[in-house]
Order: sequence, then C-alpha cells, then structure tokens
Amino acid sequence: IAGITQAPTSQILAAGRRMTLRCTQDMRHNAMYWYRQDLGLGLRLIHYSNTAGTTGKGEVPDGYSVSRANTDDFPLTLASAVPSQTSVYFCASSEGLAGADTQYFGPGTRLTVL
Amino acid sequence: GQNIDQPTEMTATEGAIVQINCTYQTSGFNGLFWYQQHAGEAPTFLSYNVLDGLEEKGRFSSFLSRSKGYSYLLLKELQMKDSASYLCAVLDSNYQLIWGAGTKLIIKP
Repeated sequence: IAGITQAPTSQILAAGRRMTLRCTQDMRHNAMYWYRQDLGLGLRLIHYSNTAGTTGKGEVPDGYSVSRANTDDFPLTLASAVPSQTSVYFCASSEGLAGADTQYFGPGTRLTVL
Repeated sequence: GQNIDQPTEMTATEGAIVQINCTYQTSGFNGLFWYQQHAGEAPTFLSYNVLDGLEEKGRFSSFLSRSKGYSYLLLKELQMKDSASYLCAVLDSNYQLIWGAGTKLIIKP
C-alpha cells in the first residue's frame, strides 16, 4: 500500500441500509478526515481525527459516525442511509494536527443511495 | 457565515497564462491552500500561502493578500494536462479547512 486507500470504489445502496466506508493510510499520519463532495459545492468536512483514539465533528456530521482505533484506519459509517447522502466521499490524512498541514486524499468512494 | 468564492469555469488556450481568483470571508485565517483535481480523481496539493505575497513553484504561482481576503493561482505555459478543477481552501480560526466549490479550467489547443 502506498498512501491512502478507500473501499469500496463505488456502491449503490438501498435507503435505510447500514454502510461502512473504509479508509486506510500507511504514512503514519496523525490526522485523518472524511469529506463529501457534491456538484457545485466545495468539499465539506464530515468528521475528523487528530490522533488515534480521538474524533471530532466537522461541518456536516449528522447521519455519520467514525472511529479511530489505530493510526492507520478511519472508517465512516452511515447508520441508516438516506438519498441525500448520495455523494462522492473522500478520506484524507495529514502529518500534523488540525488541518494545518498538507492533506493527502484517497481516490474516493462514489455512493448512490436509492 | 464563512464563504469562499471562485469562478465556476474558465477557458484558456494551450501555451497561454491564466489567473484563477479566490476571495474569502472566514472566521479567522491560518493559511490558504490551492489544490488541483482532475475529473474523477482525488484533489492533490499545489500550494500554501500564509503570508502576503507571491509564492512561485515552477509554472504555478500563488498570491495572497490577507487585508483584501484575496488570493489567485497563476498558471503559465498552459498544457492540456492542466485541464482540471482548482480548489481554493482557507484554514479558519479552528484550524479547519473551508473549501471553495472549485474552478473548472478548460484548456483549448
């Protein structure tokens, strides 16, 4: 693995289903982030983690949860998916804390909720 | 509220120069980033400005004026591979990145 990987690449999901998007980095970065990107809007931060064991809420956290059990993994869970969660989801990481360092992005997960 | 404004789309000719502007109104300022994003791909880092002035990096330069809440990205000697979206993002007082919607740059031969 080199950098950040995300899985799945794309997914079509029925409304009401539970879904976990996976994110793994091998750069030993402290901070990790989840964003959603919608057409015509900027990237919006969902949740972040400054270090293993801690998480925080971003701009649009409702309907999503995260965990950071170790440095490398930062899964994002949709407990009960709704159509408005149709989006492209990007995971990112940075060496330093709280977004001040360059963020490196994974390839994204395209999620469609029907 | 917090706001980042960029033009939605710009068109330029191969070999020419283009300037992409970004204006911002945020709660605090701890730096401004430019990222490049090719269609269907992840954003990749281009530049970071925290002090006023021009930062040059090869064909790309980025300028910042904190008093005016303004930045621009200057791309010289345009190549077809520069066709992409360019994202402006500001680090606010809480050290969270606030992103603009991006400027789609179309390069014509």
